[in-house]
Parts: sequence; structure tokens; C-alpha cells
Amino acid sequence: AQSVAQPEDQVNVAEGNPLTVKCTYSVSGNPYLFWYVQYPNRGLQFLLKYITGDNLVKGSYGFEAEFNKSQTSFHLKKPSALVSDSALYFCAVRGSFTGRRALTFGSGTRLQVQP
Amino acid sequence: ETGVTQSPTHLIKTRGQQVTLRCSSQSGHNTVSWYQQALGQGPQFIFQYYREEENGRGNFPPRFSGLQFPNYSSELNVNALELDDSALYLCASSLGDRGLNTEAFFGQGTRLTVV
Repeated sequence: AQSVAQPEDQVNVAEGNPLTVKCTYSVSGNPYLFWYVQYPNRGLQFLLKYITGDNLVKGSYGFEAEFNKSQTSFHLKKPSALVSDSALYFCAVRGSFTGRRALTFGSGTRLQVQP
Repeated sequence: ETGVTQSPTHLIKTRGQQVTLRCSSQSGHNTVSWYQQALGQGPQFIFQYYREEENGRGNFPPRFSGLQFPNYSSELNVNALELDDSALYLCASSLGDRGLNTEAFFGQGTRLTVV
């Protein structure tokens, strides 16, 4: 079985400061990892993904994520937060051995960026 | 915008009724997945269709069923609605031929309320 944990329900950060949203995963085989963002009353918007290769993945809107195989983590980061980054963030995983294309999502982390 | 459209955007149904939700996938995408997102939770996988065949199903009862049409659009049908079926239903499309590392693109969702 595959699973994702997002240990923080909410992350608060001041505008201009760096932000980190944490994610750890459990999966059979090689992990394919994704970050999505959800704004109020909207669907999920793709930010970035890790397949293989460089452990630091760059995505949309200045976001990046760091893959750490030994810690089974895939934390989302941004060097300088904007108020407009305030939203709900989801980490998701697929495993290469599961035979399923379904994404397994974490419970989400609400990011609040204060002006 | 992702190019994935869902209809209707909101729906109110009575317990015991049946509902059909619709999804038009992004142009060129042959795989459609459906997810249920209850309030305050991450999306949960319902099922997936690839080239008109169901090729994966999550832990949902048989009263959740679906279809995919030759143009790759899709329907989600739920029979005998229960109060716990109240949720945001998300449709996601992707190009299944490219494997498990392909990101999915989500529609804006259908908010279903069962009273």
C-alpha cells in the first residue's frame, strides 16, 4: 500500500520569508511524487513532480521540492513567500510496483502567508 | 486553466436519489480518474478509465460507477445517495500511455450536497 503524510495542518509564514511544507511517503518500488495546490472552491493545480534524477525539482510559481530517498521525504519549498501563495497544498505519490495509476494524496497543509 | 471541465459545479440531492456527474478531459488525454474530496481531507481515488475501460478502482462501493466515452469524456454515477457522499468530486485527465510518472490535470470539481 502507498501512503502520504503531511504532518502540519497549517504553516504560517511572513511574506518575503522562505517557506517549507513537509511531506513524507511510503510506497512500493520507485516513487513518483507530485505537489498540487488548491485555491478556495477550485480544483487541484499541478505544481511540480519528481520522477528520477536531480533531487531538487523546480516547478511553477517559484516553488521547488527536495526529494530525500533515505528520509522518504519530498518537502515543498519557496525562497520568498507571497501573500498570493496562501492556499491548500497537497503532496501525492504513485509507486512503480503498485500497478495502479491512482494518486494517493496526503491530508493537505494550509499555507497562510501574512503581509 | 487545465482544459478539464466538469458539470455541474454545484448540485443538491436528496438521500436515496441518483446523480450523474460529467467530465470533459483535456484535449488529447485518454485517461480519466475520479476522486472524492470530503471537507478537510485530501482527495480519495474512486476509479480510473483508460481508453473506455476501467483500469483501477479505489475502496468505494459498487453504487459508484462510471463510463468513458469514445471522445474520452467521462461520467460518474452514484446510486442510492447517502449523506456521507456529500463532497467535492474531482475529475482528472492525463495521457496514460506515458506511464506512472505522468501528472494528472484536474477540473474545478462538482460540489455535491446530499440532504
